[in-house]
Amino acid sequence: GDSVIQMQGQVTLSENDFLFINCTYSTTGYPTLFWYVQYSGEGPQLLLQVTTANNKGSSRGFEATYDKGTTSFHLQKTSVQEIDSAVYYCAMRDYSGSWQLIFGSGTQLTVMP
Amino acid sequence: DAGVTQTPRHEVAEKGQTIILKCEPVSGHNDLFWYRQTKIQGLELLSYFRSKSLMEDGGAFKDRFKAEMLNSSFSTLKIQPTEPKDSAVYLCASSPTTNTGQLYFGEGSKLTVL
Repeated sequence: GDSVIQMQGQVTLSENDFLFINCTYSTTGYPTLFWYVQYSGEGPQLLLQVTTANNKGSSRGFEATYDKGTTSFHLQKTSVQEIDSAVYYCAMRDYSGSWQLIFGSGTQLTVMP
Repeated sequence: DAGVTQTPRHEVAEKGQTIILKCEPVSGHNDLFWYRQTKIQGLELLSYFRSKSLMEDGGAFKDRFKAEMLNSSFSTLKIQPTEPKDSAVYLCASSPTTNTGQLYFGEGSKLTVL
């Protein structure tokens, strides 16, 4: 069945470091891929979506792309700030199958001042 | 515009009690979802409504969990009877159009079952 694997459970960086979080997906259909961010005490909120392989989505300094060949997608930011500390979830919506949004297990990003 | 509103924000229950969590979706949104969030399992889908019709009632959670959408602007999640393993954050989300994957989440209801 469809699945999303997010291996990095925790990432700790210093301010101005480069961020790279990776997910892999499995589907027989045509996925749209998302990144959600959850700040402490809040619900997740949509950060980015990418509908076409090798195209970039960008928002608030974050960029996301996905590679159909390696069935992976990633989130990156050139220079993280303390306010970026949050949990980041990758997610997949498969248009050929169910309506369901499948979430990865989340990456806790901690940015040290 | 008001976002998704969930009440209560915190609930403490004794094992065996019945609890009801409430959700008001964003006005005009077509789809409504209930998720359970724990550190170990992450985000798990409990129920999904499309235009007030129940589309998915989350297989493993059918037993003691029942979500209802009484009208387009109000939904409840009933857990009966509660067990300590139900301790989690329960998130409600709504979406403006079907199948977009763009969900708007509430802040969640944190349930602790003693």
